[in-house]
Amino acid sequence: DAKTTQPNSMESNEEEPVHLPCNHSTISGTDYIHWYRQLPSQGPEYVIHGLTSNVNNRMASLAIAEDRKSSTLILHRATLRDAAVYYCILRDGGGSNYKLTFGKGTLLTVNP
Amino acid sequence: EPEVTQTPSHQVTQMGQEVILRCVPISNHLYFYWYRQILGQKVEFLVSFYNNEISEKSEIFDDQFSVERPDGSNFTLKIRSTKLEDSAMYFCASSVLRGSYEQYFGPGTRLTVT
Repeated sequence: DAKTTQPNSMESNEEEPVHLPCNHSTISGTDYIHWYRQLPSQGPEYVIHGLTSNVNNRMASLAIAEDRKSSTLILHRATLRDAAVYYCILRDGGGSNYKLTFGKGTLLTVNP
Repeated sequence: EPEVTQTPSHQVTQMGQEVILRCVPISNHLYFYWYRQILGQKVEFLVSFYNNEISEKSEIFDDQFSVERPDGSNFTLKIRSTKLEDSAMYFCASSVLRGSYEQYFGPGTRLTVT
């Protein structure tokens, strides 16, 4: 799996936007960019994924650089419930790779 | 909203005993997975399962581990002879398809081996 690099931790204030960066300079053409998060004492939770174009869903937005070597997960208004570890994961959409390979992720702290 | 469920939430067992962890994936999903997370460490892939056979497994998934889909709803992970280092959170996940599609995780089973 191609490697991703994320900051160990970030801090935000409640109701402010949060931009979580991810670098993936060795991404291949068939790799999808996935974001998951893990709230304390829970299983990982799917957030969003994309290939080339920016994506929006009810939880977040995903901004993908034009060269696809980096991406940013955007939480438009952070809440206390968004405090979690956020994982940026690359998955080959065309191959036989079924698994998710988790790194250490970014620990997001949301201040009230 | 459909969700993956896992039982039990916490299992305590003695070293050398067999344990079976149970999962009920989302009903229309076709791909099933087990992951584990040792306390304070990364989430690690164990095995994926499709069409009643293992699709992929990690180095962790040795002969002590097995998976089974005994009926149309359950998906189980068996550890034949537990070791202290098997103590971890075990997460089941399922997905509609493979590849780019999202995986839905259960709440996990905390396995404690004494």
